[in-house]
Amino acid sequence: ELKVEQNPLFLSMQEGKNYTIYCNYSTTSDRLYWYRQDPGKSLESLFVLLSNGAVKQEGRLMASLDTKARLSTLHITAAVHDLSATYFCAVDIEDSNYQLIWGAGTKLIIKP
Amino acid sequence: GAVVSQHPSRVICKSGTSVKIECRSLDFQATTMFWYRQFPKKSLMLMATSNEGSKATYEQGVEKDKFLINHASLTLSTLTVTSAHPEDSSFYICSASPVLTDTQYFGPGTRLTVL
Repeated sequence: ELKVEQNPLFLSMQEGKNYTIYCNYSTTSDRLYWYRQDPGKSLESLFVLLSNGAVKQEGRLMASLDTKARLSTLHITAAVHDLSATYFCAVDIEDSNYQLIWGAGTKLIIKP
Repeated sequence: GAVVSQHPSRVICKSGTSVKIECRSLDFQATTMFWYRQFPKKSLMLMATSNEGSKATYEQGVEKDKFLINHASLTLSTLTVTSAHPEDSSFYICSASPVLTDTQYFGPGTRLTVL
């Protein structure tokens, strides 16, 4: 069964702390995406990870991909309130007609 | 659990024709379903929010007469692209929220190509 599992599904943390969101997937993949969604809004593409060992950073967010372990992480450094949102990972399945398999999302609340 | 399917996964049609895309929640009931369209740089634009038994709420700039949404049951929402044009070619994704939750479960997407 094709699965993408995110954990945790809910995270409440204080500003200034570091934390990591994990995304495990069960099949080989061409690429992995991380998205951010504010309530009731569109999904903003944060990162697209294309190869084993890929690491991308944007501000306080850093994403990495280990295709052998079928694991991606989204690391938050010195969290700020503005990063409060729901974060989704999605995996592009090889030879799948460009379809995406999604994680359930991680709702992140950062308290000032 | 919490599986959402979309059908078809890929469709190619001629300009001027209409295309219907189905979004189904397979193992839960969804009072709310969302339709998104993927744009360059992979962001997903929210097109509309669909509530079972009522009219969909469209985001600003989305033509409701062009993108017809019907949410006839707690497990099915449809998006019909009417009089499709090449600029409507895109990847359309739905998501569904189980009753009394705000968790979204996404479908795998439908790739529409209009010739």
